[in-house]
Amino acid sequence: QSVLTQPPSVSAAPGQKVTISCSGSSSNIGGNYVSWYQQLPGTAPKLLIYENNKRPSGIPDRFSGSKSGTSATLDITGLQTGDEADYFCGTWDGSLSAYVFGTGTKVTVL
Amino acid sequence: QVHLVESGGGVVQPGRSLTLSCATSGFTFRNYGIHWVRQAPGKGLEWVAIIWSDGSYKYYGDSVKGRFTISRDNAKNTLSLQMNTLRAEDTAVYYCARVGSGSYSADYWGQGTLVTVSS
Repeated sequence: QSVLTQPPSVSAAPGQKVTISCSGSSSNIGGNYVSWYQQLPGTAPKLLIYENNKRPSGIPDRFSGSKSGTSATLDITGLQTGDEADYFCGTWDGSLSAYVFGTGTKVTVL
Repeated sequence: QVHLVESGGGVVQPGRSLTLSCATSGFTFRNYGIHWVRQAPGKGLEWVAIIWSDGSYKYYGDSVKGRFTISRDNAKNTLSLQMNTLRAEDTAVYYCARVGSGSYSADYWGQGTLVTVSS
């Protein structure tokens, strides 16, 4: 059972913005950096955001992350059909001595 | 270019063992930790294990603790996941991923290898 909670799905029209939340606790998000992963259908996950708000090379600035307390957020602006994917948050949990993933959010472009 | 390639998946009977391997290229293997992450059909990501760059520390998810063993040989650039006493619920695509910066993020992933536990 995941210790990080995400909404199962979000949707918006092309060009609009979606926000995905990731809720945790003091032992994980509250005390560690958060990463976000994008998994396009039928492919392996890909790192989208690390250290709460940094983008790896090649990730467009339409994707942005933030963290406040024990929650984190991924924003996708200028939504494109190619953004349809599952998105997962992840971080280290110091109490569990384990890496934990969120429950995952499916983004649908209407 | 960083690449990770998993191998060793297949169909195995419940209670049997299987060993997965993760081949890497494009980076200095001994300088990086490695995760194993799995994904059951139609489900989310489940973290399995992590090994430090020098192999000094290893941690496991609760569902595999005591049954799976992660290991590495930096002299041979090899990494393995030994899976014992396999159960039907271990059926999943298994990914290896390089540990990046920031609370052990997984910055590069392999394409995955499918393990099916079935009689």
